[in-house]
Amino acid sequence: DAGVIQSPRHEVTEMGQEVTLRCKPISGHDYLFWYRQTMMRGLELLIYFNNNVPIDDSGMPEDRFSAKMPNASFSTLKIQPSEPRDSAVYFCASKSRIQGISGELFFGEGSRLTVL
Amino acid sequence: AQRVTQPEKLLSVFKGAPVELKCNYSYSGSPELFWYVQYSRQRLQLLLRHISRESIKGFTADLNKGETSFHLKKPFAQEEDSAMYYCAPWYSSASKIIFGSGTRLSIRP
Repeated sequence: DAGVIQSPRHEVTEMGQEVTLRCKPISGHDYLFWYRQTMMRGLELLIYFNNNVPIDDSGMPEDRFSAKMPNASFSTLKIQPSEPRDSAVYFCASKSRIQGISGELFFGEGSRLTVL
Repeated sequence: AQRVTQPEKLLSVFKGAPVELKCNYSYSGSPELFWYVQYSRQRLQLLLRHISRESIKGFTADLNKGETSFHLKKPFAQEEDSAMYYCAPWYSSASKIIFGSGTRLSIRP
């Protein structure tokens, strides 16, 4: 397995544009998490899914952010419209409930977003 | 509310010196505790979990429920230990892992 796959790896866009980040979890994993990493705030949980259903989106900053998981092998995080303060590295992570409820998270390589 | 605090953003020590990365968590039930590490140009990955009581790459972490701390320690730092370290408690009541703000460990030769 190639692990969690994220795309794009790097994205540079202008303020006001729509940004879509993509994630393919490890096959068989039923939990998927989106995190945002910044120098000031570290790693923040934005939203997580269990069996494709959003369970907790309390970390989503505002209505400009939305996330979907249409099937077990794909999730998107969308920012519309984007702002410079959204510049960060966005990580996707997945895990399997077979490992237990507190099992290890497997991370993707991240998507580095720069909004000019 | 679940919170985790890593008071040091940057910790710089000489090679061979002892290392302690501090982590304090809020008490909300009995969370399971993890340390994750991100080496340069690598994915964030699990370093160790308290329930396993293991030593990984010479690192250990002791859970102190009285002080609600889970500090990461290593007696003799190596240059390859330079990385970003995150303390991460898992609160079963919320079914999610939250991360501290991270500590960047820099080992000087």
